[in-house]
Formats: sequence, C-alpha cells, structure tokens
Amino acid sequence: DGGITQSPKYLFRKEGQNVTLSCEQNLNHDAMYWYRQDPGQGLRLIYYSQIVNDFQKGDIAEGYSVSREKKESFPLTVTSAQKNPTAFYLCASSADRGPYNEQFFGPGTRLTVL
Amino acid sequence: GNSVTQMEGPVTLSEEAFLTINCTYTATGYPSLFWYVQYPGEGLQLLLKATKADDKGSNKGFEATYRKETTSFHLEKGSVQVSDSAVYFCALSDRSQGGSEKLVFGKGTKLTVNP
Repeated sequence: DGGITQSPKYLFRKEGQNVTLSCEQNLNHDAMYWYRQDPGQGLRLIYYSQIVNDFQKGDIAEGYSVSREKKESFPLTVTSAQKNPTAFYLCASSADRGPYNEQFFGPGTRLTVL
Repeated sequence: GNSVTQMEGPVTLSEEAFLTINCTYTATGYPSLFWYVQYPGEGLQLLLKATKADDKGSNKGFEATYRKETTSFHLEKGSVQVSDSAVYFCALSDRSQGGSEKLVFGKGTKLTVNP
C-alpha cells in the first residue's frame, strides 16, 4: 500500500535536547511538507520541499531544520531553539503536478517536552 | 495574502441532523478549494475538493459548492452520523500566479454527533 509513515507516534523530549521526527513516503511524490498543529490554531506550515536537495521555510520555521537528501524522506529536527515545541506534527506530500495541490497526510507525531 | 475563515466550533448535533460548516476565503488568482477531515489522534484525510467556480465536490454524503461570487465553500451533509464526529478543515491552494505550492488552512471546526 502506498502512503506516508511518520515515526514515532509519541515522542518525549527533555528541554534543551534536539529531536528528529521521521517522515517517509512511497507515493513517488515530488513535494513534501511539515505542519505543526496546536489546539484551536489549525495547521501552520513549518517547511516544505518541492524537489530533492531543496527546501523552503514556511510560516513558522524558526527553531526547526529539515533535509531532503532522498525523494522518499523529509526528516524534521526540532532544535533547542524552538521555545514551545510541544505540539502535534504532521507530514504531507503531493505530486506537485496538475491544476491543484492535493496533499496526502501521515498519521502524525505528538511531541511532548518534559 | 491568501486566507481561509471557517466557522468556529465546537458544533454539537444529534444523529440525523443537517450539518453546515461555513467557509469563506480570500485569494488572489483562482484557488482550488478543499475540505479535509481529521479523526481523533490521526492525520488529515481529504474529504472533497473543487477546482473551479461552480464545481461541486462530494464524498460520503458531504457536499460543498465552489461559489466565486460569495468566495465561499460551505460544507453540508443532510443527515450526520456518530461516526462523522471529527475536526473539519477548509483549505485553499493557489497556483495560478506561479507562487509557491502551499495549502492555506482554516482553523478547523470540531463536530460532535450524539446518538
């Protein structure tokens, strides 16, 4: 089955530690995205990548970093510079072709900072 | 810039009631419009979409019509079920001006359907 996987489902981190969230897709999609979801605020875009070895900042990139070394993978690192990292993180991908941008989402990772 | 405004929740209905969740948008160009649904503890799933004015998207009994004159894309269902309890997000994607390929989401509306 084609889809997007995120791991782990739950992640706990101590303050001051960096942590990396995994996102893998086997849909052969060119574009991948990371969103942060907080209660009552909807989804906010952190970073996105349209092709391998290229990515752009979204609306709330500060305190986060990404890499796109392979088409299938788009890991997100939450650094110690992110002041309020506790949130639900969603990864998505899209074919980035055609007249509209239908994004497919992974199941999410819930990060809690202790 | 582009934006989406949807009615604030939470919305609580009894089973078999009629559902409307309002969504209006502001966009330059000609956006495509989407409704996504998020069940508890899960990621988002595309519910329906419309790519041009007057298009009607439909799926699982839900419908929404792209109204350019009122810049709206309201979600409706004639008879809700308990299993429809979820958070619903309206979103737009605007590629017509050659801009970046981003979705802009509303803040979500939580729906609870009671038996």
